[in-house]
Amino acid sequence: NAGVTQTPKFQVLKTGQSMTLQCAQDMNHEYMSWYRQDPGMGLRLIHYSVGAGITDQGEVPNGYNVSRSTTEDFPLRLLSAAPSQTSVYFCASRIHGGSNQPQHFGDGTRLSIL
Amino acid sequence: EDQVTQSPEALRLQEGESSSLNCSYTVSGLRGLFWYRQDPGKGPEFLFTLYSAGEEKEKERLKATLTKKESFLHITAPKPEDSATYLCAVHPGASGTYKYIFGTGTRLKVLA
Repeated sequence: NAGVTQTPKFQVLKTGQSMTLQCAQDMNHEYMSWYRQDPGMGLRLIHYSVGAGITDQGEVPNGYNVSRSTTEDFPLRLLSAAPSQTSVYFCASRIHGGSNQPQHFGDGTRLSIL
Repeated sequence: EDQVTQSPEALRLQEGESSSLNCSYTVSGLRGLFWYRQDPGKGPEFLFTLYSAGEEKEKERLKATLTKKESFLHITAPKPEDSATYLCAVHPGASGTYKYIFGTGTRLKVLA
């Protein structure tokens, strides 16, 4: 059971480039989310989805797009990378109906924007 | 405003030296409070969920407790393998079903 899988693990981009961070889960979880983790700050929610075809913004959505075409996958897109988006990105999932249930996290993508 | 504050930021303990980590929260309603462990280069790993004041949960050397304003993670006779960053998160009740507020964590180092 793989859980939540994120790819790539590391990435370096130049300012203005675009890329997609991949996230897949095999637990049939309806709820999936993207966070960024920066030094001295708690995990901050970027976007989330409660099921295929349904997405919504979190606390820091600017500069990021998401889509959810399947239950398993929830990619995060940077359309025009900026140095302020240098961070560690985590994807998480949980059962949708269980709002008190914990989230399960992937091991992150470490992204540097030059 | 919903807020979670963890203290101390960092903690160094000798092996066997028990201590407690604190998570203070201010939220409009509480659906749940979560403790996670995060190792370097890894994602957060779930430890406990607490739902109501007075609740306690235990796992090996860890015990989590909850009051109306804060939670404690007690570590009894820690070992070097307990070294990690411990994160606290709350799931507010009144301000939206899908939002989780994370603290900045406590970095724990246990020396042999």
